[in-house]
Amino acid sequence: DIQMTQSPASLSASLGETVSIECLASEDIYSNLAWYQQKPGKSPQLLIYYASSLQDGVPSRFSGSESGTQYSLEINSLQPEDEGDYFCQQSYKFPLTFGSGTKLEIK
Amino acid sequence: EVQLVESGGGLVQPGRSMKLSCAASGFTFNNYDMAWVCQAPKKGLEWVATISYDGSSTYYRDSVKGRFTISRDNAKSTLYLQMDSLRSEDTATYYCARILPQTRLYGSYYFDYWGQGVMVTVSS
Repeated sequence: DIQMTQSPASLSASLGETVSIECLASEDIYSNLAWYQQKPGKSPQLLIYYASSLQDGVPSRFSGSESGTQYSLEINSLQPEDEGDYFCQQSYKFPLTFGSGTKLEIK
Repeated sequence: EVQLVESGGGLVQPGRSMKLSCAASGFTFNNYDMAWVCQAPKKGLEWVATISYDGSSTYYRDSVKGRFTISRDNAKSTLYLQMDSLRSEDTATYYCARILPQTRLYGSYYFDYWGQGVMVTVSS
């Protein structure tokens, strides 16, 4: 199975700041990666797919990038509604696997 | 508006069975691959199973192969997950999810809509 190592496990940032969340794939997944946001008590929401394609309706302050097997989610100009958990997911091969998640707190 | 509404969860004893349903609306159900994804309490997400738009192809994670069966009734716009021989480690919230269609064409599976989830607790 492809392991997705996500970091950090948690982070705290202030309104207006920029943060970055990373996922390291255990093998090459050829940009087949998505990012999801999950707010407390809610279902996950797709933010980014194919590593850098923004899902319809997602604010442009969210962006994705890659470097080899390392994938990053960047959130610019943090807003209060960005608080929640973030997960990466590889879609290169079955079984589809997720990162362990990052809890983002807005100070 | 796309809606996915799960039902059928609850408390079940180890070794018993349970069937989850997911009623879909707001889109042409028989055009989309679908999936089940679970999340144990306070834990991360785990893909469970995927089914093709016409039901001809199914995929499972190893830990549920031979115990869980994903199926669909396109006439009723409903997705199912039959769970047999349940174990305590199956305890989780189960989400029904739609597969993003434009990437599915290229063999990629991303989940663009999710239901609200249904809790399954396996305990004696």
